[in-house]
Amino acid sequence: GAVVSQHPSWVICKSGTSVKIECRSLDFQATTMFWYRQFPKQSLMLMATSNEGSKATYEQGVEKDKFLINHASLTLSTLTVTSAHPEDSSFYICSARAPTASLGELFFGEGSRLTVL
Amino acid sequence: AQSVTQLDSQVPVFEEAPVELRCNYSSSVSVYLFWYVQYPNQGLQLLLKYLSGSTLVKGINGFEAEFNKSQTSFHLRKPSVHISDTAEYFCAVSDRGNKLVFGAGTILRVKS
Repeated sequence: GAVVSQHPSWVICKSGTSVKIECRSLDFQATTMFWYRQFPKQSLMLMATSNEGSKATYEQGVEKDKFLINHASLTLSTLTVTSAHPEDSSFYICSARAPTASLGELFFGEGSRLTVL
Repeated sequence: AQSVTQLDSQVPVFEEAPVELRCNYSSSVSVYLFWYVQYPNQGLQLLLKYLSGSTLVKGINGFEAEFNKSQTSFHLRKPSVHISDTAEYFCAVSDRGNKLVFGAGTILRVKS
């Protein structure tokens, strides 16, 4: 199946700094990628839809100036958590829809765990 | 808007026993339903899906799920589990668009 990779898998940063998480589709081109956030024992919450070459579409309640998404190529989307605070600590997961995938099937990265001190 | 409720956060079961992971959804429109599985240190992968047609859907690794419209449920079942089935299972619903709404997940722990 199609492969989506995230980097880094875990990161620790100081409060007030910015952190960038990369999401790559390794063997297919993804015009659309999705970013999720997962709190412990809670469901994946869709944060935004990342569209190659255009602005991301953010879900209600997600601060677009806080969570910057860039989808500059068909194989890479990045999520930058700006001026991170401890409440931003979470598990961030990206997914992508492959052109040859069956209806409704998404391919997920392994996730990136962010800890803000 | 859609929502998904997975009634059990953890399900312990002995190897070779049957298992059912429960999922209920709410939606005002017709939906597609999915089960994804996440093995330790891996990304989520599709287990099975219901789009239309037969309400009994078979997936990978011997899992199946039954869509029950009247009860708005999509429970996942396997008649005999293996140690390797230990993972977290997520039920998800889509309003036939691109977005998936996930449940909180159920951790299946298979014991020997």
